[in-house]
Amino acid sequence: EAGVAQSPRYKIIEKRQSVAFWCNPISGHATLYWYQQILGQGPKLLIQFQNNGVVDDSQLPKDRFSAERLKGVDSTLKIQPAKLEDSAVYLCASSLESISGGLAGGYNEQFFGPGTRLTVL
Amino acid sequence: DQQVKQNSPSLSVQEGRISILNCDYTNSMFDYFLWYKKYPAEGPTFLISISSIKDKNEDGRFTVFLNKSAKHLSLHIVPSQPGDSAVYFCAASTYSGNTPLVFGKGTRLSVIA
Repeated sequence: EAGVAQSPRYKIIEKRQSVAFWCNPISGHATLYWYQQILGQGPKLLIQFQNNGVVDDSQLPKDRFSAERLKGVDSTLKIQPAKLEDSAVYLCASSLESISGGLAGGYNEQFFGPGTRLTVL
Repeated sequence: DQQVKQNSPSLSVQEGRISILNCDYTNSMFDYFLWYKKYPAEGPTFLISISSIKDKNEDGRFTVFLNKSAKHLSLHIVPSQPGDSAVYFCAASTYSGNTPLVFGKGTRLSVIA
């Protein structure tokens, strides 16, 4: 089974420039997440999609970040304009569609891609 | 406000000995807890999880213990192997099927041969 694919793996840009990241989730996974991981920190959720709808974007800096998931498969995350503090690894994760069953039913494991390391100069 | 805390940035253990990684949380609404392992230049990979209705879950060399009253969980690796050297993230979620994870800052484990 192919994993979560992300591109590019590395990107270096000047501040105020624009950048876009691409994610292809595992086939059949309805839920897609974008996380930001700043050096020395744990991943922090930016946005969550269920199919092509946004479930949670409360932590997305909407003045400069945008994301879409057309057709409920691939997703792109864009930053425009970039700031120095946006330097981080951007991780995409996917999981199966929500299940019911309570705590004994388990949790839908999130599978992560390798990430895109962004450096803003 | 950090809801999931891993207070030890690093840990060194001799091969064959036990590694104990600790995690504390503040949000009493968290119902599900997971440990992820991360190698350099790779994404985190799921290791083991536990729901709040249990106090222990075991998978081979890995055991997670949950103390709800103390809002504390720990990951035990026995015996530790050099291939276990990685960054370990504790993560938590308020269970409702597919909810985002809240991660700690991670603990870098080094297993010395």
